[in-house]
Amino acid sequence: GDSVTQMEGPVTLSEEAFLTINCTYTATGYPSLFWYVQYPGEGLQLLLKATKADDKGSNKGFEATYRKETTSFHLEKGSVQVSDSAVYFCALTPYSGAGSYQLTFGKGTKLSVIP
Amino acid sequence: DAGVIQSPRHEVTEMGQEVTLRCKPISGHDYLFWYRQTMMRGLELLIYFNNNVPIDDSGMPEDRFSAKMPNASFSTLKIQPSEPRDSAVYFCASSLSDQRTPDTQYFGPGTRLTVL
Repeated sequence: GDSVTQMEGPVTLSEEAFLTINCTYTATGYPSLFWYVQYPGEGLQLLLKATKADDKGSNKGFEATYRKETTSFHLEKGSVQVSDSAVYFCALTPYSGAGSYQLTFGKGTKLSVIP
Repeated sequence: DAGVIQSPRHEVTEMGQEVTLRCKPISGHDYLFWYRQTMMRGLELLIYFNNNVPIDDSGMPEDRFSAKMPNASFSTLKIQPSEPRDSAVYFCASSLSDQRTPDTQYFGPGTRLTVL
């Protein structure tokens, strides 16, 4: 079945450091890829998404590029802030067309940013 | 606009008791999902509905779990009888069908269930 593997945390960075969180996936067909973020005590929120190969999703300074050849969707940010401290989840749905489908999640990576 | 609402936020119960978790999706959304989050297994989909009809319940762990959606603005997840291994955070999410791309799911704050 479909699966998502992301780097284990926790990750601790100083403010303004560069962030990379690795994510690779296994899926049949043409999945869509997502990054969700969970702040302490809250539910998950969509951070960004990409629906086809070579698409780049971006939001709030975060970026991720859908790489079909390496089955990867790594999350990056050039300069992290304390407010970025959260748990980040990579996820996929099995299709790239319109509709609502179940999400398959990675285990999550906890990021802590220190001043 | 209010987001997805879940209640209770925390539930502590004893093994063997019935537990009911509640969810109110965002108004107008036509899909509703129930997920469970544990340290060991991460986030898992339990069941999802489209227009109040269950579409896929293959993630429901066993017969002790049941979910209903009697109308477009309310869903319940029931565990009877509860067991300690059911302890987890249960999330409800909703989405609105989009004609262009896979839809964004909006998550509630979750219910933290502890079964003693």
